[in-house]
Amino acid sequence: EPEVTQTPSHQVTQMGQEVILRCVPISNHLYFYWYRQILGQKVEFLVSFYNNEISEKSEIFDDQFSVERPDGSNFTLKIRSTKLEDSAMYFCASRTPPDTQYFGPGTRLTVL
Amino acid sequence: AQKVTQAQTEISVVEKEDVTLDCVYETRDTTYYLFWYKQPPSGELVFLIRRNSFDEQNEISGRYSWNFQKSTSSFNFTITASQVVDSAVYFCALRSMWSDKLIFGTGTRLQVFP
Repeated sequence: EPEVTQTPSHQVTQMGQEVILRCVPISNHLYFYWYRQILGQKVEFLVSFYNNEISEKSEIFDDQFSVERPDGSNFTLKIRSTKLEDSAMYFCASRTPPDTQYFGPGTRLTVL
Repeated sequence: AQKVTQAQTEISVVEKEDVTLDCVYETRDTTYYLFWYKQPPSGELVFLIRRNSFDEQNEISGRYSWNFQKSTSSFNFTITASQVVDSAVYFCALRSMWSDKLIFGTGTRLQVFP
């Protein structure tokens, strides 16, 4: 069964460094998402992406975040200058109608 | 505003007991979608079910069943004859027809003891 994959599974970085989290959505899916989950808390929406542009973003998704689909398979989330509070599990998701978002296994980001 | 409330933070049961996880949602939209996801200790989010607002038919899948009641804005999830492998955090989520984001509840941690 097709699944969303994410790399790396765990990323450790120093505060102020840039990180890129990578995702390979399910191949025939058209809509792509990033969510994050701070340890022990609920899952929060960051951004949705369709037709090579952002379709919706949350207040969390400020100028330090960006997304890109550099080729036909990858979908990336870049955090330009990481802060301690960016430490979280980041989930990528994808969907195609009808309307179920399938999530990847997550990347745990630790900012020191 | 849209909101999902899972009032039960943690539930502990003994294997073979039935357990119901509550989910109450708020939305002004007439068309919306409701979801349940499971997050086992390994951390991934596993899709369990999607329900459209215009389909109030309850659903059963093996030991899992879902009770959708628009009158009380609830979408409850019951596990019959629970097993240790059911131990996980369960999230209820809502999506409006006019938005692309899932709004999650805070989750219910289910612990099933042998």
